[in-house]
Amino acid sequence: DAKTTQPNSMESNEEEPVHLPCNHSTISGTDYIHWYRQLPSQGPEYVIHGLTSNVNNRMASLAIAEDRKSSTLILHRATLRDAAVYYCILRRGSNYKLTFGKGTLLTVNP
Amino acid sequence: DAGVIQSPRHEVTEMGQEVTLRCKPISGHNSLFWYRQTMMRGLELLIYFNNNVPIDDSGMPEDRFSAKMPNASFSTLKIQPSEPRDSAVYFCASSPGTGGTQPQHFGDGTRLSIL
Repeated sequence: DAKTTQPNSMESNEEEPVHLPCNHSTISGTDYIHWYRQLPSQGPEYVIHGLTSNVNNRMASLAIAEDRKSSTLILHRATLRDAAVYYCILRRGSNYKLTFGKGTLLTVNP
Repeated sequence: DAGVIQSPRHEVTEMGQEVTLRCKPISGHNSLFWYRQTMMRGLELLIYFNNNVPIDDSGMPEDRFSAKMPNASFSTLKIQPSEPRDSAVYFCASSPGTGGTQPQHFGDGTRLSIL
């Protein structure tokens, strides 16, 4: 499976935008980019996914580089409830597997 | 909407005892997954069912672990006999499909401690 690289931790202030980066230089043409997050004492939660184009949903936006070797999860206005570990995962088109790495621990300061 | 329901939320038991973890997937989802999370190894897929049939059990650590899905609304993960190194948080997830676009919906997990 292609690998992703994320910073171990990031910090943000409440009400400010947060840009969480992910590098995936060995991504293949059929790999979808998925983001999940895990709040303390909870199971992982699906956030968003994309293939080539930028995507928006009620939780976040996903910006995908033109060469697809990197992507950025954007939280437009961070709240304290967004403090979590964020996982960037590549998932082949026909594959059921989600392979979780270490993710990025996001701290949101009041 | 009811999400994935796991029970118990916490389990503390002594080494050697049998442990049974339970999962009720989201209605209508035909894929079910069991994961284990530890500090050392992170989140690992243990087993995957599709339409109640085990498809991939390559992540099951050893013969002490077994999983069943007798019907579309219930699955169990059993450890017999349990050992201290089995202490972890066990998550169940379900999905409406298996393709790369289908999200997995996770329960809140069972925190297992083996003394």
